Order: sequence, then C-alpha cells, then structure tokens
Amino acid sequence: DIQMTQSPSSLSASVGDRVTITCRASQSIRNYLNWYQQKPGKAPNLLIHAASGLQSGVPSRFSGSGSATEFTLTISSLQPEDLATYYCQQSYKIPYTFGQGTRLEIK
Amino acid sequence: EVQVVESGGGLVQWGGSLRLSCAASGFTFSGYWMHWVRQAPGKGLVWVSRISKDGTSISYADSVKGRFTISRDNAKNTLYLQMNSLGAEDTAVYYCAGDPDSSGYSWFDPWGQGTLVTVSS
Repeated sequence: DIQMTQSPSSLSASVGDRVTITCRASQSIRNYLNWYQQKPGKAPNLLIHAASGLQSGVPSRFSGSGSATEFTLTISSLQPEDLATYYCQQSYKIPYTFGQGTRLEIK
Repeated sequence: EVQVVESGGGLVQWGGSLRLSCAASGFTFSGYWMHWVRQAPGKGLVWVSRISKDGTSISYADSVKGRFTISRDNAKNTLYLQMNSLGAEDTAVYYCAGDPDSSGYSWFDPWGQGTLVTVSS
C-alpha cells in the first residue's frame, strides 16, 4: 500500500497567516493527490483535486502544488472558518490511502 | 441540490451483520463511481470499498475483504454496503462518497453526512 505522511500533525496559526501543510507519498503518485477539509463533527469536503485543481466553490485562498512524492496545501491568508483537520489522499493506486491528518487551530 | 444521505447504521453485536444504504440525488448517480470511507471515533479517514458506474468493477480494502459487499442500484440511485462478521475494529462513521472519475482522476465529491456503526461485545 502507498503510505501518505502529513506534516505537521497539528499547528496553530493566527488569522491572516500563510499556512502550509505538507504531504509525502511513499512512492511516486504523479499528481494523483487530493486534499480534503473536515470541520468538527462534519463530513469531509473536497478542496483540491489532482494536486492543484481548485474544487468549484472553494475559496481562492486555498491552493495545492507538488508532484511525484511531495505535495503542499497552502492557505494564503488564514480565516477563522478554516479551523478544521486537513487530509491528503492518493488516488494513484488501490487501496486509496489518506494521510493521518493535520489539525489546524486558530490562535 | 446535490444530496447524499446514508442510513442503516446503529448498534450491532460482535459477529453480527448490518446493511448500509446511501441515497443520492441532484447529480447523475449512474455517471459516478461510488465509495465507502470510514472513520473510527477520533481517528482519520480510511477508504473501504469502491464500485464502478455500472457495478461491474469492485475493490475492497484488505481489512474488509470477504466480509463486506458493495453494490448499487442505478434505477434507485442507491449505493449499499452489506457488512458481515462485524468486529470492534469496524466501529466507525461510514461515509458514502461519489467519484466523477474525471479523465482518469479520482476524488471523493460529494460526501454524505455519515452513519455511525457501533459494534459491541
């Protein structure tokens, strides 16, 4: 199975900060990488598909980049409503696998 | 409005069975691959199973292979997950998610609100 590792596991940032979350794959997954946001008590929500494609309706402060084994999710200017856990997920090979999650807190 | 609504969760005894359903509306259900993803209490997301648009291609995570069966009824816009021989490790919120399989890329959208399965001894 392809292992997905996110860093950091948690972080605290202030409103307006630029935030970056990293996701590493145990082998090349080309750009078959998606990002999800899960707010407390809610279902996950797709943010980014195919490494850099912004999902319709998602604010433009979210962006994704990377390829092969290293990927990043960036929030350009953190907002209070961005309090959530963020997951990366590879869709290169079955079984699809997720990172362990990054819990984002607002200072 | 796009809607995905799971049902069928609940409390079941160790070794028992449960059938989850997922009713879809507001999008062309037959044009989407469909998945089940689960999340144990306080834990991360784990992919469980997927089924192709016409139901002919099916995959499972090793942890559920031989115990769970995914199926779909495109006439009813409904996805199912038959779960047998349930153990404590199957306790989780189960999410149903669509996958447009766009140009060979897969991602999970839309998602349902989830249904909780609790396995007790």
